[in-house]
Amino acid sequence: GQNIDQPTEMTATEGAIVQINCTYQTSGFNGLFWYQQHAGEAPTFLSYNVLDGLEEKGRFSSFLSRSKGYSYLLLKELQMKDSASYLCAPTDSNYQLIWGAGTKLIIKP
Amino acid sequence: DTAVSQTPKYLVTQMGNDKSIKCEQNLGHDTMYWYKQDSKKFLKIMFSYNNKELIINETVPNRFSPKSPDKAHLNLHINSLELGDSAVYFCASSPGRDLLFLQYFGPGTRLTVT
Repeated sequence: GQNIDQPTEMTATEGAIVQINCTYQTSGFNGLFWYQQHAGEAPTFLSYNVLDGLEEKGRFSSFLSRSKGYSYLLLKELQMKDSASYLCAPTDSNYQLIWGAGTKLIIKP
Repeated sequence: DTAVSQTPKYLVTQMGNDKSIKCEQNLGHDTMYWYKQDSKKFLKIMFSYNNKELIINETVPNRFSPKSPDKAHLNLHINSLELGDSAVYFCASSPGRDLLFLQYFGPGTRLTVT
């Protein structure tokens, strides 16, 4: 079967660093997306990993280990506007995105 | 400029009614999608069209019928609405059906069935 596991909710402090983990099982694999979704808004693209390793993009980085079925999203220098849900979405052999329920990140001053 | 737009943004209706949600994209993309996001925040793909051809048709009740008059539009018609249909429906588009093409989401339509 296909399964994605992310923490339901995390809390972090403004200016700090937070790591959101995602483990997945899919029928085949063709890369993994991370999306950000603010409350009441549409998901927006953050990152895409297809090879093992770390992809860095400004304050956000995403890591992938295909052999472990594991990814994480690292957010540095947290800002209040980073309060949102973060959706891990691996892809299967048919190139379909398999969406998790997301991790709600709460940033406190 | 709105890339992917949906109307209406909010829709409140009674059980048994028939309603439609419209989606338009001005990005020139070939592929469009409909997703349902329920109260538990899971995004589930419902349908996908590529150049007006249905390419993904997940297991959804046949009360849901997508229609693509042209590749810039993908509308969703729902017959005999049920309480369980209450959710946020997102339209999305991408340049192609290949994985490497990023999906752009519309703002969502919050459907409430009473």
